[in-house]
Amino acid sequence: GAVVSQHPSRVICKSGTSVKIECRSLDFQATTMFWYRQFPKQSLMLMATSNEGSKATYEQGVEKDKFLINHASLTLSTLTVTSAHPEDSSFYICSVGTDYGYTFGSGTRLTVV
Amino acid sequence: AQTVTQSQPEMSVQEAETVTLSCTYDTSENNYYLFWYKQPPSRQMILVIRQEAYKQQNATENRFSVNFQKAAKSFSLKISDSQLGDTAMYFCAFGSAGTASKLTFGTGTRLQVTL
Repeated sequence: GAVVSQHPSRVICKSGTSVKIECRSLDFQATTMFWYRQFPKQSLMLMATSNEGSKATYEQGVEKDKFLINHASLTLSTLTVTSAHPEDSSFYICSVGTDYGYTFGSGTRLTVV
Repeated sequence: AQTVTQSQPEMSVQEAETVTLSCTYDTSENNYYLFWYKQPPSRQMILVIRQEAYKQQNATENRFSVNFQKAAKSFSLKISDSQLGDTAMYFCAFGSAGTASKLTFGTGTRLQVTL
């Protein structure tokens, strides 16, 4: 399967600032990447599907202007949380689909203070 | 839309024993994949096993095996010879055919392996 690197693993930011999370597919050219959000002791909820060279597809209820996704190359997708607020604090995980299955990044714990 | 249901929020098993985690799903598709993922305290998602819907044979990976009942839309995970390292959240997931298809996850089962 693919090797997926996600950075940063932890980030603390102040309310009103923006935070960028990177997801890299190290050994697989990914035309599609997925971004999930996970609250404590809950399941993964898909936020959006990132498409290389085109606009991301957002799930219903996800604010496009708050969660900006850019997939400029076959190996990199970024998620930017804009004007972050404490309710945006969560665990964010990216994923890449391959012929065998889906590989996940190690996740980013975002805390907005 | 697909749905995945895991009816066991928590399970406990003694070391070396066998435990079965349940999963049911609903779909109108005929070609799809089913997965079990493990999420230990590190929160890294680890693929445990996968099953192609077109295959009648149940998938096995060492101590992990599934009971795939397509007609009943059931996909349970059996862990044999449980080890302390198996303690984790286990998520059942559904994926349509194609790597560009998103995964739909169940709510998870927290498995505790005890001495």
